[in-house]
Amino acid sequence: AQTVTQSQPEMSVQEAETVTLSCTYDTSESNYYLFWYKQPPSRQMILVIRQEAYKQQNATENRFSVNFQKAAKSFSLKISDSQLGDTAMYFCAFMKPQTSGSRLTFGEGTQLTVNP
Amino acid sequence: DTGVSQNPRHKITKRGQNVTFRCDPISEHNRLYWYRQTLGQGPEFLTYFQNEAQLEKSRLLSDRFSAERPKGSFSTLEIQRTEQGDSAMYLCASSLRLAGQETQYFGPGTRLLVL
Repeated sequence: AQTVTQSQPEMSVQEAETVTLSCTYDTSESNYYLFWYKQPPSRQMILVIRQEAYKQQNATENRFSVNFQKAAKSFSLKISDSQLGDTAMYFCAFMKPQTSGSRLTFGEGTQLTVNP
Repeated sequence: DTGVSQNPRHKITKRGQNVTFRCDPISEHNRLYWYRQTLGQGPEFLTYFQNEAQLEKSRLLSDRFSAERPKGSFSTLEIQRTEQGDSAMYLCASSLRLAGQETQYFGPGTRLLVL
C-alpha cells in the first residue's frame, strides 16, 4: 500500500514571498502520478498541479512549481509571489493509474497562511 | 459552470436516521469516486464507479453504507442508521481516463453532522 506524508502541519509566509511545502511518499510502483490539491476555507478541493512519475521535468503552473525527486520519493510544492488567496490547506496525493479505478491516497495536509 | 456538484451541502441528522447524498459529475466523465474527510485530515477513499458499475469498495465502507450510480450519470451515497462517527465531509470526484492519464476533479462536498 502507498503512504503519503506531509511533515509540516502548518506554515506561514509573508505576501509576495516564496514558500515550499514538503511531501514524501512510499511506493513500490514505477508508474504513478502525484498531485497537489488546495482546499480553501470554503472547502472545495482544487487541483493545483500534477506530475507524472515517468517525466523527469518538474511540472510548473504559473506561480506553482514542484521539485520531484523520484529516487528520494519526494514531491515538494513551491509557491512563488505568495498571495492572500493562497491561504488554504494543501494536500499532496498519490495515484497509481489503473484500468479498474485509480484511487487517490492523500497526506495529512499542510495549512498555509499567507500574511499581509 | 459544469463542475462536479453535490447536494445537499450540509446535513444535520439524529443518530439512527438514514441520509442520502447526491453527486452530479462532470458530464463526460465516466469515473466517479466517493471520499470521506474528517476534520483536519486528508480525504480517504470510500468507493469507485466506472460508468454504472461499482468496481471497488474500501473497508471503510461498512454495510450501513450503500452507493449507486444508475445509468452511469449521477451517484447517490446512502448511510443507514447513522452513528456519531459518521460525522464528516463526504466528497465526490469525477474523472475521465484518457491515454492512461487521469485527473480527479472534486465537488464542494456534503458536510454531515450526526447528533
